[in-house]
Amino acid sequence: AQKVTQAQTEISVVEKEDVTLDCVYETRDTTYYLFWYKQPPSGELVFLIRRNSFDEQNEISGRYSWNFQKSTSSFNFTITASQVVDSAVYFCALPPQRGDTGRRALTFGSGTRLQVQP
Amino acid sequence: DTGVSQDPRHKITKRGQNVTFRCDPISEHNRLYWYRQTLGQGPEFLTYFQNEAQLEKSRLLSDRFSAERPKGSFSTLEIQRTEQGDSAMYLCASSLARRTGDTSTDTQYFGPGTRLTVL
Repeated sequence: AQKVTQAQTEISVVEKEDVTLDCVYETRDTTYYLFWYKQPPSGELVFLIRRNSFDEQNEISGRYSWNFQKSTSSFNFTITASQVVDSAVYFCALPPQRGDTGRRALTFGSGTRLQVQP
Repeated sequence: DTGVSQDPRHKITKRGQNVTFRCDPISEHNRLYWYRQTLGQGPEFLTYFQNEAQLEKSRLLSDRFSAERPKGSFSTLEIQRTEQGDSAMYLCASSLARRTGDTSTDTQYFGPGTRLTVL
């Protein structure tokens, strides 16, 4: 079965620090997508990025960047110059493996709680 | 706002009562998912619809749980004879199918959730 591991349960940083959230996954598929979601205190899961395993180039969106390394099965997320509004729980997720006929939904990691102190 | 909406946002009930939650997906989305999330955990899959057909149910979905999507638009999740262990956040997500039968490429968009507390 596939698996997503977010080993960092909680991270606390001071505003303007850079922070990296780790995600390691296991899948039988050779091509696949990976996702990151943000869950602020309000509870809604906010989609951040979908990444195809074909593309190992780093993705950058403003202060956010993602580093995908297929060789180590990792898809890490970095926030540059963190802000208090970045405080949330961040989840990495993997779609179902092809051929898993009984499995249609995302597999989520357990999440990393990020606290950004002013 | 054209995102996924859920109602109610919060529900407090006594053990043994029935509760029903509603989810309205993004209007053009044909797939709808229900997840349950407990404190400190990631969302866990409950069930999934393609249009009005319920195509998969998790083992987490006991006989007390039932979900419907009668016209392929909004969905309801009912829990009968609630137990304290049902206390959780219930999340709904929707997606637009890119390939028939293959959900591995879908981007799921989530609603704000319904937080259930069973006393």
